[in-house]
Amino acid sequence: QVELVQSGAEVKKPGASVKVSCKASGYTFTSYDIHWVRQATGQGLEWMGWMNLNSGSTGYAQKFQGRVTMTRNISISTAYLELSSLRSEDTAVYYCARDGSQEYHYLDVWGKGTTVSVSS
Amino acid sequence: IQMAQSPSSLSASVGDRVTITCQASQDINTHLNWYQQKAGKAPKLLIYHASNLQTGVPSRFSGSGSGTDFSFTISSLQPEDIAIYYCQQYDDLPTFGGGTKVEIK
Repeated sequence: QVELVQSGAEVKKPGASVKVSCKASGYTFTSYDIHWVRQATGQGLEWMGWMNLNSGSTGYAQKFQGRVTMTRNISISTAYLELSSLRSEDTAVYYCARDGSQEYHYLDVWGKGTTVSVSS
Repeated sequence: IQMAQSPSSLSASVGDRVTITCQASQDINTHLNWYQQKAGKAPKLLIYHASNLQTGVPSRFSGSGSGTDFSFTISSLQPEDIAIYYCQQYDDLPTFGGGTKVEIK
């Protein structure tokens, strides 16, 4: 079945970087874009950016420009989110989600989320 | 593009009709999706392109609107509908509304 499996929880110190992975299965990896969305505890959803897995092109929310990098490894059907210069406010659950339509850009398949905790 | 969602929370009885609104800061045509997020789970797509029901989603869920004003309705609230609902625009880089927490009275 169509699935996105994310890497496990991370604990990082302020100033460090974190790299979260998102492995796709059950469909052609490069046929759909991947988006990253985060959610701090008790807060709403915050869109971070997207990646076209075929071309490698990306688009990032202005808030994260300069700190976020999205990459992919097509050979293992895995997308990555890297966030640098971590601060306590980056503590959140990070989700990857498949963009199910090039026309309507709805997020139809989601990973279970990766908890990133930033603490000294 | 900012998305103003209201109310932030509501309490209704089983069987009630529930409506949530989402207002965009500029015209987004019908470029709007709705998601449901249950406690401790990832969001789930319910409605896309403002009014299209995602496959497998119960017909008691519906969406409408265009331009800047949108609404999402649960025609008969069920206990399993307890969740937070989010709108999301994709006219520009995506943004989400602040969410509406739906509880049973």
